[in-house]
Amino acid sequence: AQKVTQAQTEISVVEKEDVTLDCVYETRDTTYYLFWYKQPPSGELVFLIRRNSFDEQNEISGRYSWNFQKSTSSFNFTITASQVVDSAVYFCALSEADAAGNKLTFGGGTRVLVKP
Amino acid sequence: EPEVTQTPSHQVTQMGQEVILRCVPISNHLYFYWYRQILGQKVEFLVSFYNNEISEKSEIFDDQFSVERPDGSNFTLKIRSTKLEDSAMYFCASSEVTGTSIHEQYFGPGTRLTVT
Repeated sequence: AQKVTQAQTEISVVEKEDVTLDCVYETRDTTYYLFWYKQPPSGELVFLIRRNSFDEQNEISGRYSWNFQKSTSSFNFTITASQVVDSAVYFCALSEADAAGNKLTFGGGTRVLVKP
Repeated sequence: EPEVTQTPSHQVTQMGQEVILRCVPISNHLYFYWYRQILGQKVEFLVSFYNNEISEKSEIFDDQFSVERPDGSNFTLKIRSTKLEDSAMYFCASSEVTGTSIHEQYFGPGTRLTVT
């Protein structure tokens, strides 16, 4: 069974600080996909990134970066030089390729509060 | 930019009543999903739908729930006899299908269902 754990429930930082969100996953499949979604106060779920289990290259997109380590089953997300607009709940999610329906299993989310 | 739309944005209903939540997925997507999020909690998978049939459903998706693609654009979730515990935000999502890859899911803005 697949499981995603986001141990940090809430992180509070001051603007311009870096913030790293942890995500640990469990799966028996060898092929799987990992995702991060952002849920701002308005409530919608915004897709940020998708990685497959065979691609362990770290990725940077603007102020966002992701560190995927299969050895520790982790897919961590860093926001560099945080801004007030980054305040949101961030969800890590997993989908197993062998499962029939592409379902996403979400972690519990980490609320990030960026103070000016 | 194409987006998933959902109607209504907020639905209030009495316990025992039937509700239908409507979604228009992104037009070239072939995989459709419903998720729910009880206030302050994680996002939970309900059902995935592909090629006019259910691909996978969770244990939450019992006989009270059904999905339908009544025409070429809409995707609906029906709850036959609502319970208080059905109160939640319901998200529709859609994704592409190419080979065996799992693509990112794009979410609609959600329908807040309140059962009184």
